[in-house]
Amino acid sequence: DGGITQSPKYLFRKEGQNVTLSCEQNLNHDAMYWYRQDPGQGLRLIYYSQIVNDFQKGDIAEGYSVSREKKESFPLTVTSAQKNPTAFYLCASSIGAGTFYEQYFGPGTRLTVT
Amino acid sequence: QKEVEQNSGPLSVPEGAIASLNCTYSDRVSQSFFWYRQYSGKSPELIMSIYSNGDKEDGRFTAQLNKASQYVSLLIRDSQPSDSATYLCVRGAGSYQLTFGKGTKLSVIP
Repeated sequence: DGGITQSPKYLFRKEGQNVTLSCEQNLNHDAMYWYRQDPGQGLRLIYYSQIVNDFQKGDIAEGYSVSREKKESFPLTVTSAQKNPTAFYLCASSIGAGTFYEQYFGPGTRLTVT
Repeated sequence: QKEVEQNSGPLSVPEGAIASLNCTYSDRVSQSFFWYRQYSGKSPELIMSIYSNGDKEDGRFTAQLNKASQYVSLLIRDSQPSDSATYLCVRGAGSYQLTFGKGTKLSVIP
């Protein structure tokens, strides 16, 4: 089955710790994205990547970092510099880069930092 | 700020009725529009995409786009309780970034 996987589903961390969220896709999509969703808010773009070894900041990149060493994988690190890291994190992919392409989402990781 | 506006709801419709979800946007350069359904605690799933003026039908779903009025809608015919979810209106305008609305919560009453 083709799809996007994210792990773990739930993640709990203490304040001051970095944490890495996994995102893998086997759809052979070129573009991948990270969003965060907060209650009552629309999804906000953190980072996106059009091709391997290339990525760009979205609206809220501060306190986050990414890498794209393989086409299938786009991990997100939430660093201790992120002031409000508790959120629902969603990874998405699309066959091409650009807003005409449909984006498909993984199941998400719910991060709680205390 | 290029916004996407949706009524947060909840929109309540009886089972079997037509649910009409509406969305307006604030610029004239938007080129692509998407509707996603999101069940509570789950990730969004794509229902429809629409790029040109007019109607696009897929099963019980019809998306309508009117670029002159900056308005996009989603109609759900023969609504079922399983359609109860939050529906996200999403627009794309150049670049690579989509803008997501905050969603309309739909409740289908059996």
